[in-house]
Amino acid sequence: DSGVTQTPKHLITATGQRVTLRCSPRSGDLSVYWYQQSLDQGLQFLIQYYNGEERAKGNILERFSAQQFPDLHSELNLSSLELGDSALYFCASSVTGQGEQFFGPGTRLTVL
Amino acid sequence: EDQVTQSPEALRLQEGESSSLNCSYTVSGLRGLFWYRQDPGKGPEFLFTLYSAGEEKEKERLKATLTKKESFLHITAPKPEDSATYLCAVQARYGGSQGNLIFGKGTKLSVKP
Repeated sequence: DSGVTQTPKHLITATGQRVTLRCSPRSGDLSVYWYQQSLDQGLQFLIQYYNGEERAKGNILERFSAQQFPDLHSELNLSSLELGDSALYFCASSVTGQGEQFFGPGTRLTVL
Repeated sequence: EDQVTQSPEALRLQEGESSSLNCSYTVSGLRGLFWYRQDPGKGPEFLFTLYSAGEEKEKERLKATLTKKESFLHITAPKPEDSATYLCAVQARYGGSQGNLIFGKGTKLSVKP
């Protein structure tokens, strides 16, 4: 158990819908990262927050957005969902904005 | 462009048959190289961080080494419970991708009894 929690574990929804994924970092970690993992692409970095502020952006679609709240938990919002958005979404956290990251168990999103 | 290439894509071993996994990387200044283990449907589990060429880290049957262009994960006398996908990732010191990890596609290891 890494200490990072994610909810929900599974999410099944339809095309065009909007969903919110939630992540709580390890106690004491200030930085949160979101990654997408699909079978053909591997783990792809989406976005990073550090102490409430956006720090870095990766290959995140405009339909996706995220935020980190004062209690340091983070939410990833996915809207206008498409079939291709079906994937595992992982949250990771680290003490600072660098160094090793500890991953949560993931949310499996299925878009039908 | 920063990138990580892992080989082989898949590796089948008999229990007790030692081998190595390779991770080649290109990065604009290496801040760190990371090894993770991932079981199906689970989150990556942190194994090692290596920071400079010549560094080595060990944990049970696993040993990670680093050169200026690649890293190896040596598995000594593996057991069936070592079966998993092993992921390599780098963190850049410079550029817009500082902080986040750039992952390879992994090596899927199967150890048969």
